[in-house]
Amino acid sequence: KAGVTQTPRYLIKTRGQQVTLSCSPISGHRSVSWYQQTPGQGLQFLFEYFSETQRNKGNFPGRFSGRQFSNSRSEMNVSTLELGDSALYLCASSAPATNTGELFFGEGSRLTVL
Amino acid sequence: GENVEQHPSTLSVQEGDSAVIKCTYSDSASNYFPWYKQELGKRPQLIIDIRSNVGEKKDQRIAVTLNKTAKHFSLHITETQPEDSAVYFCAASKRNYQLIWGAGTKLIIKP
Repeated sequence: KAGVTQTPRYLIKTRGQQVTLSCSPISGHRSVSWYQQTPGQGLQFLFEYFSETQRNKGNFPGRFSGRQFSNSRSEMNVSTLELGDSALYLCASSAPATNTGELFFGEGSRLTVL
Repeated sequence: GENVEQHPSTLSVQEGDSAVIKCTYSDSASNYFPWYKQELGKRPQLIIDIRSNVGEKKDQRIAVTLNKTAKHFSLHITETQPEDSAVYFCAASKRNYQLIWGAGTKLIIKP
């Protein structure tokens, strides 16, 4: 069974630009959640999608948005990039509908904002 | 809302000794408590989890204990080995809510 796939793995952007990251969950998983990870900051929850609906949202500004498609693939978008957006963005998929199940993480997309 | 505090932030133990990481949570309705391990440069992976109807769970050298009254849960690693070096994250959640994560503990195993 293929794991969670994130693309691109690495990208460099400049301040003010926007970026779109993609996540393909494990086949059959309907929940996809996104996290921002910076050194020493742990895992900061961005949002979670289930069956194309945003089910939970973290405390990030509106510049961070996401969506989920009917095949469960998900994208997140960051507009008007700031230097502080440089981070590893992880997505995770899970199967159960109740949020209390194992998360399978992708390898992440490492974003550098110059 | 739920808040999860994790201690210590860094733990250094001699190889072969035991390591204990503790997390406290604030929402008494939380009923699911996983632990994830993230090795350097790799993705987080679930190593053990416990639900609120159980007080302790073991898997070889790893165990998790849950004290619902005190609202804390702990990860115990016995006979530590070099491959245990990683960052460990605890989390808590309740039905239909997202996981609330601790800040992580960097475990260093000294040879």
